[in-house]
Amino acid sequence: QPVLTQPPSASASLGASVTLTCTLSSGYSNYKVDWYQQRPGKGPRFVMRVGTGGIVGSKGDGIPDRFSVLGSGLNRYLTIKNIQEEDESDYHCGADHGSGSNFVGYVVFGGGTKLTVL
Amino acid sequence: QVQLQESGPGLVKPSQTLSLTCTVSGGSISSGSYYWSWIRQPAGKGLEWIGRIYTSGSTNYNPSLKSRVTISVDTSKNQFSLKLSSVTAADTAVYYCARLPVFGWFDPWGQGTLVTVSS
Repeated sequence: QPVLTQPPSASASLGASVTLTCTLSSGYSNYKVDWYQQRPGKGPRFVMRVGTGGIVGSKGDGIPDRFSVLGSGLNRYLTIKNIQEEDESDYHCGADHGSGSNFVGYVVFGGGTKLTVL
Repeated sequence: QVQLQESGPGLVKPSQTLSLTCTVSGGSISSGSYYWSWIRQPAGKGLEWIGRIYTSGSTNYNPSLKSRVTISVDTSKNQFSLKLSSVTAADTAVYYCARLPVFGWFDPWGQGTLVTVSS
């Protein structure tokens, strides 16, 4: 199954921009990845899905336009512009392990990135 | 708007069975094409998918937990449940339930419930 790798931490100053990365293991460059935001003490919430062509479908409820995604090769990026205090969260990426019609039904997550707003 | 709420004992002894229930409100658990899922998160660590059940009752489990996990659904109560047997301290985590549309993403999630495995 694919392995998703995320840096454990990232930081950015208030009002700046930051790009978070989720890297798929070799051989899974066609996989889509879902980004989730988890504020301190809360459950995760869906941000958006990204493939190599960019966003897939729509953003999650209440996700501001400051959030965007890109996909390239094995990397799936989440960019946050004009960072606000409420963006300080853990960000997780996840992928459903399937191959076309041969749906395996196994979900994997990355280790999460803790974003600190300075 | 669909909401999910986890419930169950917060403390389980080693070797016993962890049992949690997720109550779905604001919609029927039987309607639509959804998987009803369990995910857990040990303190300070990432998310780990446990498994899911489809509205038909078919299930998929994380291979690393498959021998110990059972997920079931009670449509009359609009609930689905998790049982994890032979627990150890490594099973201590916040447990979340979530809805997963077929070919979709986890949304919404419950608030999570902390389960501690300790004697």
